[in-house]
Amino acid sequence: EAQVTQNPRYLITVTGKKLTVTCSQNMNHEYMSWYRQDPGLGLRQIYYSMNVEVTDKGDVPEGYKVSRKEKRNFPLILESPSPNQTSLYFCASSSGGNYGYTFGSGTRLTVV
Amino acid sequence: AQSVTQPDIHITVSEGASLELRCNYSYGATPYLFWYVQSPGQGLQLLLKYFSGDTLVQGIKGFEAEFKRSQSSFNLRKPSVHWSDAAEYFCAAHETDSWGKFQFGAGTQVVVTP
Repeated sequence: EAQVTQNPRYLITVTGKKLTVTCSQNMNHEYMSWYRQDPGLGLRQIYYSMNVEVTDKGDVPEGYKVSRKEKRNFPLILESPSPNQTSLYFCASSSGGNYGYTFGSGTRLTVV
Repeated sequence: AQSVTQPDIHITVSEGASLELRCNYSYGATPYLFWYVQSPGQGLQLLLKYFSGDTLVQGIKGFEAEFKRSQSSFNLRKPSVHWSDAAEYFCAAHETDSWGKFQFGAGTQVVVTP
């Protein structure tokens, strides 16, 4: 089944403790992206990648890192999480063209 | 700056009534446009998309959207709403020559009453 898989689904952590949210897609898509969703703000793009080793900042990149060493994986790294990064995070992938993005199920992160 | 705006935060509609959700965009050139739906506790599902050609596009679940260049709008419609249409709806866009930067509106929450 074609899908974007994020792990974990839920995560509670403490301020300053480094964490990684994994994202993997099995559709051989070139484009991958991370979003955070906050009430009233919709989805805001954190980082995106156009292919292996090619990444760029979205609208809210501060406090986040990404890497794209393999085509299928696009992990999101929070080096020193803070409470204002408490949010619902989505990973998405696309082949470009006219197919739109396929989204993962989301990761709910709470930073205390 | 490029942006996607959904003017209505919340809409309440009776089951069986028609629904229209508004979306406006601000881009240098006409972008590619999309509507997504998010059911409670779920991820996002693509409803429909517009790239070029016919300005009225059909999507899944009985939804359609109309692109109006003169109004920079891409409004979503459904003739008769079902209780299962209660969800949050997002309009999204990206430039035609750039698939990376993909922006969303703030969303419209739709409540369906009996």
